[in-house]
Amino acid sequence: QLHLQESGSGLVKPSQTLSLTCAVSGDSVSGGSYSWTWIRQPSGRGLEWIGHISHSGTTRYTPSLKSRVTISADRAKNQFSLNLTSVTAADTAVYYCARVVVLGSLMYFDHWGQGTLVTVSS
Amino acid sequence: QSVLTQPPSVSGAPGQRVTISCTGSSSNIGAGYDVHWYQQIPGKAPKLLIYANSNRPSGVPGRFSGFRSGTSESLTITGLQAEDEADYYCQSYDSSLSGGVFGGGTKLTVL
Repeated sequence: QLHLQESGSGLVKPSQTLSLTCAVSGDSVSGGSYSWTWIRQPSGRGLEWIGHISHSGTTRYTPSLKSRVTISADRAKNQFSLNLTSVTAADTAVYYCARVVVLGSLMYFDHWGQGTLVTVSS
Repeated sequence: QSVLTQPPSVSGAPGQRVTISCTGSSSNIGAGYDVHWYQQIPGKAPKLLIYANSNRPSGVPGRFSGFRSGTSESLTITGLQAEDEADYYCQSYDSSLSGGVFGGGTKLTVL
């Protein structure tokens, strides 16, 4: 059974770097045919796709965050990570990791982690 | 402001049917890209409800169905139950982002 679990700092100071990790069990971040993604949701608002990393290590990012985002994978630990630099209060949100089904332009998120709240505040 | 457009709220009595619409533009739904739906119970993570317009993952009741007509997509819930009270999000692929885009979400209230 697939399980994703986010971890990382829940409080980040403005201008610093937000770092989160998603531990995956029940599938391989590098051995299968899926991609792995980060999605965020500010309190009381909708969902925003941040980016994803494929099983082969190829990354895609949403243009509005591309200059500040890095998604990477650790095959040995079977986990993937999110780094978001120069954060502001606008980056405060619940961050979800999820598995992505990607086949050309077919793209959807079939399994999600429980989410972790990250607050940007001094 | 979300890329895809959904009504902010819908409501219905137990046993009734409700429909939630999702519209987009020429770089996503209008281009023919598939639409997917998620259910989010307050305080919980979203859950995949419908994928590729009309397909239900294992375990999703048949009361939930997706329908596409031209450039418009809709989610229909029949035989409403109290447990269906949640936020519902549509999602598609957008060629200008080369990634996923979501609707703003629709809050379903079961009266």
